[in-house]
Amino acid sequence: EAGVAQSPRYKIIEKRQSVAFWCNPISGHATLYWYQQILGQGPKLLIQFQNNGVVDDSQLPKDRFSAERLKGVDSTLKIQPAKLEDSAVYLCASSFSARWENNEQFFGPGTRLTVL
Amino acid sequence: DQQVKQNSPSLSVQEGRISILNCDYTNSMFDYFLWYKKYPAEGPTFLISISSIKDKNEDGRFTVFLNKSAKHLSLHIVPSQPGDSAVYFCAASVPPTSGTYKYIFGTGTRLKVLA
Repeated sequence: EAGVAQSPRYKIIEKRQSVAFWCNPISGHATLYWYQQILGQGPKLLIQFQNNGVVDDSQLPKDRFSAERLKGVDSTLKIQPAKLEDSAVYLCASSFSARWENNEQFFGPGTRLTVL
Repeated sequence: DQQVKQNSPSLSVQEGRISILNCDYTNSMFDYFLWYKKYPAEGPTFLISISSIKDKNEDGRFTVFLNKSAKHLSLHIVPSQPGDSAVYFCAASVPPTSGTYKYIFGTGTRLKVLA
């Protein structure tokens, strides 16, 4: 079974530039998550999709971050414009369904973003 | 407000000995807890979980203990092996307000097992 795929693995940009990350979840997984992990901290949920609908984006900085999940499969996360404090690893995860407490989330390898 | 806390950022243990990683939480509504392990340049992978109706769950060398009254859980690894060297994250599954569960992660503990 293929895991969660993410690209690119690394990205370096200057502040005020734009960047986009792509995620392909495990086939059949209805729920997709984007997390931000700043160095020395745990993953912080940015946005959660159930199929192609957003169920939680309470911690997404909506003035600069956007995400979409077209057709309920792949997803992209965009930052426009980037700030220095956006430097982090962006993790994508998927699960079969988030309607049960014990749904296991499977993570991709992450994209390390450096904003100069 | 950090609802899930791992107060030890790092831990070193000799190979063959027991590793004990701790996690505290503040919200008594949390009813399911998980441990994830993360190697460098990889995403976190699920390790073990426990429901709030239990106080212990065991899987091979890994045991998780839950003390609900103290809002504390711990992960025991016995015996520790060099391959266990990684960052360990505690997570709580948050009861849904929108019909779906989500996780809140702790800040992680870096475990180093010395050969």
